[in-house]
Amino acid sequence: LAKTTQPISMDSYEGQEVNITCSHNNIATNDYITWYQQFPSQGPRFIIQGYKTKVTNEVASLFIPADRKSSTLSLPRVSLSDTAVYYCLVGDDGGATNKLIFGTGTLLAVQP
Amino acid sequence: EPEVTQTPSHQVTQMGQEVILRCVPISNHLYFYWYRQILGQKVEFLVSFYNNEISEKSEIFDDQFSVERPDGSNFTLKIRSTKLEDSAMYFCASSRDRGSNEQFFGPGTRLTVL
Repeated sequence: LAKTTQPISMDSYEGQEVNITCSHNNIATNDYITWYQQFPSQGPRFIIQGYKTKVTNEVASLFIPADRKSSTLSLPRVSLSDTAVYYCLVGDDGGATNKLIFGTGTLLAVQP
Repeated sequence: EPEVTQTPSHQVTQMGQEVILRCVPISNHLYFYWYRQILGQKVEFLVSFYNNEISEKSEIFDDQFSVERPDGSNFTLKIRSTKLEDSAMYFCASSRDRGSNEQFFGPGTRLTVL
């Protein structure tokens, strides 16, 4: 399973764009990149998933370069309520295994 | 929007006692999971379940743990004889598709073993 590396924490201010980068040098051909968000004392919540190039939904954008060895989660104009831990996961989608492997994530602190 | 629900939200028990944590997955989902998160640590996979069978389990999921889908809506995690180190948040999750990375998590049950 591909290992991921992301910053332990980041600080931002309301209204700013936040970019969280994740390294996954050993990503396999069948692997997708998935991001989850977790608020304190709540379960993780799926944000976005991609395989290559760029994916955008109503919450975030995910940028994946051609070599797929890293990815960047972009949160536009964050608010205080975006303060959470963000996890980058790498794994096959629809494959044999069902388990999600969470790392330590990035604690994003948004200040007024 | 459909969601995964879990009961109770908080369970306090004495060491050695049995506990059952309950979950109601999203109704049209077929794949069910339990994860746990010890305070301040990572979310850890315990077990996945499909078609009334365990699909995969982790090393954490030893003989003290069992899962069951007793009816068409509930999915339970039983810990037979709790230990202090079982204290954690337990999250149930479900997904519609096999091997999906998009899993829907419940709010969790905080288990405290005294």
